[in-house]
Amino acid sequence: EAGVAQSPRYKIIEKRQSVAFWCNPISGHATLYWYQQILGQGPKLLIQFQNNGVVDDSQLPKDRFSAERLKGVDSTLKIQPAKLEDSAVYLCASSPRREGGEQFFGPGTRLTVL
Amino acid sequence: GESVGLHLPTLSVQEGDNSIINCAYSNSASDYFIWYKQESGKGPQFIIDIRSNMDKRQGQRVTVLLNKTVKHLSLQIAATQPGDSAVYFCAEKRPSNQFYFGTGTSLTVIP
Repeated sequence: EAGVAQSPRYKIIEKRQSVAFWCNPISGHATLYWYQQILGQGPKLLIQFQNNGVVDDSQLPKDRFSAERLKGVDSTLKIQPAKLEDSAVYLCASSPRREGGEQFFGPGTRLTVL
Repeated sequence: GESVGLHLPTLSVQEGDNSIINCAYSNSASDYFIWYKQESGKGPQFIIDIRSNMDKRQGQRVTVLLNKTVKHLSLQIAATQPGDSAVYFCAEKRPSNQFYFGTGTSLTVIP
């Protein structure tokens, strides 16, 4: 079974530029998560989707971050404009169940904002 | 404020010894907990989980203990191997169904 795919693996941009990350979850997984992991910290949930609907985006900085999962499969996370403090690893995870349970993580995208 | 935290940021153990990684959580209504292992450059990997109606669960070489009275979670790794070297996170599922991760403990196994 293929795991969660993410691209790109690495991205370097200058502050105030825009960037987008892509995630393809495990086939059949209805729930998709985006996490931000700052160096030395645990992952912090940004947004959770159930199929193509948003379940929770309370910790998403909506003035600059946006995410979508139009067809209930792939998802994109965008930052516009980026700030220095956005430098982190952005992790995508999927789960077969909405109410929680094991989440399967992708390898992440390491973003560096200069 | 509420938080999920780990008592020790780093832990070094001799190969073959047992490891114990601790985690404190603040939300008494959390009903599900997961331990993850994260190797450098990779996403977190599920190790073991436990629901709040249990106080112990065993897997292959790993045991999770849950003490709801003091809101404490621990991960025990038996016969620690060099491949166990990684950062370990506990995560709690709160009533909102959000998962909150702790800061992590870096485990180093000394051959």
